[in-house]
Amino acid sequence: TQLLEQSPQFLSIQEGENLTVYCNSSSVFSSLQWYRQEPGEGPVLLVTVVTGGEVKKLKRLTFQFGDARKDSSLHITAAQPGDTGLYLCGGNNAGNMLTFGGGTRLMVKP
Amino acid sequence: DAGVIQSPRHEVTEMGQEVTLRCKPISGHNSLFWYRQTMMRGLELLIYFNNNVPIDDSGMPEDRFSAKMPNASFSTLKIQPSEPRDSAVYFCASSGGTGGWEELFFGSGTQLSVL
Repeated sequence: TQLLEQSPQFLSIQEGENLTVYCNSSSVFSSLQWYRQEPGEGPVLLVTVVTGGEVKKLKRLTFQFGDARKDSSLHITAAQPGDTGLYLCGGNNAGNMLTFGGGTRLMVKP
Repeated sequence: DAGVIQSPRHEVTEMGQEVTLRCKPISGHNSLFWYRQTMMRGLELLIYFNNNVPIDDSGMPEDRFSAKMPNASFSTLKIQPSEPRDSAVYFCASSGGTGGWEELFFGSGTQLSVL
């Protein structure tokens, strides 16, 4: 079982602040995905990273895949209330199955 | 496309009763996944189908749980008999490939409460 640990578990910040959440494992993943989940809904894909050291940007969100493909980070610049949600990282290392971390619950206060 | 459709959205039942959750994947997708989400354990993969065939069911908690996919457009997850510890949100997701990096499209989930 590949264990993905996310930190912090909870984060409450003011609008305009920057933040970084982390996804760590002792296992190597062939790819890693970040999803955001809002209350009452299923997770929605934000990004997929495949190459070690890869950096992807999605507006104010920056995703990085570790060189060894064991960890990843998500950085949000100038957070907005609309960024509130549960952020999940999921690693793929066994065919087509995605294993998720416990998630980071983010609240951005106006 | 309407996306992944799950029913019912909410299910309240008593311990010992049979519960059946339903899922209609996105048309054309060949992979289907059942996940369970709780605060304590997060989002856990229960079972994975590819082309209607169960590929990995190692996440199914015990024999009380069973899943079927009789055709490409329908899947069920059954719990018999249900127990209070089965209370969770159950998600179905589908994807269009087997490369390992395809996007998973999730349904809105079934909130199950076993009293």
